[in-house]
Amino acid sequence: DAGVIQSPRHEVTEMGQEVTLRCKPISGHNSLFWYRQTMMRGLELLIYFNNNVPIDDSGMPEDRFSAKMPNASFSTLKIQPSEPRDSAVYFCASSPILPGPEYGYTFGSGTRLTVV
Amino acid sequence: GNSVTQMEGPVTLSEEAFLTINCTYTATGYPSLFWYVQYPGEGLQLLLKATKADDKGSNKGFEATYRKETTSFHLEKGSVQVSDSAVYFCALSLNQFYFGTGTSLTVIP
Repeated sequence: DAGVIQSPRHEVTEMGQEVTLRCKPISGHNSLFWYRQTMMRGLELLIYFNNNVPIDDSGMPEDRFSAKMPNASFSTLKIQPSEPRDSAVYFCASSPILPGPEYGYTFGSGTRLTVV
Repeated sequence: GNSVTQMEGPVTLSEEAFLTINCTYTATGYPSLFWYVQYPGEGLQLLLKATKADDKGSNKGFEATYRKETTSFHLEKGSVQVSDSAVYFCALSLNQFYFGTGTSLTVIP
């Protein structure tokens, strides 16, 4: 299996622009998670999906952030408009079931976003 | 609530030194416990896990024992290598994952 695939690996954009991050989970995994990692705040769970349905989006920082999962093999995280404080590494992770005792998450390599 | 507390870093060790990274947890139920490792520029990788009290997880020379009585899951390795330099995250799993803040380890030759 190719693992969790994220694109792009790096994104540099200007403040005010729309940014779309993409994720392809592992085939057969029915839970998908978006995390943000910064030096100041560490790893933050933004949102997670189960069977393509958003279950908990309480970590989404504000209305500028939105996430979708139109099918089992694809998810997007969109920031519109982007701001410099959104600069971070964004990780996608997937697991075969809702987080439970036997399974860990498989993480993608992340997208490093820089907003200038 | 549920949370994980890790020892503050950064940790710097000489090659072949003994490593301990402390992790304690608070949980409302009976969690599974995990250690993840993040190498520079990469995502988190599962290092080891334990699903019930007294279980020992091990991988690549690393070990951690699920201690319910002390609510701990300390990571240990007997002899670290330069290639072990990374950030290590302790985590617990109940209805969702709860990660610690990470401990940076640098191993010098």
